[in-house]
Amino acid sequence: ETGVTQSPTHLIKTRGQQVTLRCSSQSGHNTVSWYQQALGQGPQFIFQYYREEENGRGNFPPRFSGLQFPNYSSELNVNALELDDSALYLCASSLAAKRNGELFFGEGSRLTVL
Amino acid sequence: GDSVTQMEGPVTLSEEACLTINCTYTATGYPSLFWYVQYPGEGLQLLLKATKADDKGSNKGFEATYRKETTSFHLEKGSVQVSDSAVYFCALSIIQGAQKLVFGQGTRLTINP
Repeated sequence: ETGVTQSPTHLIKTRGQQVTLRCSSQSGHNTVSWYQQALGQGPQFIFQYYREEENGRGNFPPRFSGLQFPNYSSELNVNALELDDSALYLCASSLAAKRNGELFFGEGSRLTVL
Repeated sequence: GDSVTQMEGPVTLSEEACLTINCTYTATGYPSLFWYVQYPGEGLQLLLKATKADDKGSNKGFEATYRKETTSFHLEKGSVQVSDSAVYFCALSIIQGAQKLVFGQGTRLTINP
């Protein structure tokens, strides 16, 4: 069984740039969620995708956007990067049918904004 | 709004000591409760969960009981090992269209031999 994989693992950008992070969900999982984990903090929910549609969003501005593809993989896009966007971005996959079931997390993409 | 408060760390213990990491929550409705663990250089892994009041989750010698009356889900282990060194996150799960996990700030645990 293939786990959740994310790419890239590390990247550095400058303020104002745009970034795309990628996630391949665990085999058989149809739901993908994205979380932002600032240094020393717990992860914060950005949004969730199910059947290629966003079905829930946390308190993040519209410059955070996403996509889910027919194979359930996903992208997180962040436009007009700010210094405070520096964080570990975590992708998690799950089965929509299992309400309140386990989320399986990838190892994350660490973004540094200079 | 929904929130989770964890005992502040870092926590340093000797091997075979008893561990308790406190976690309390605020939520409307009846959330499911989780403990996730993050080992150095790895992603978050589910340690245990409980879905209703008085349920006890357990795994790898760790236990936590869903206490609705005190809105708590404290993590306990009777005898810790060096390999338990990690960051521990308490979280609640709510369904608002999406399944959303609300995490505490994490507690870094270091076990010395």
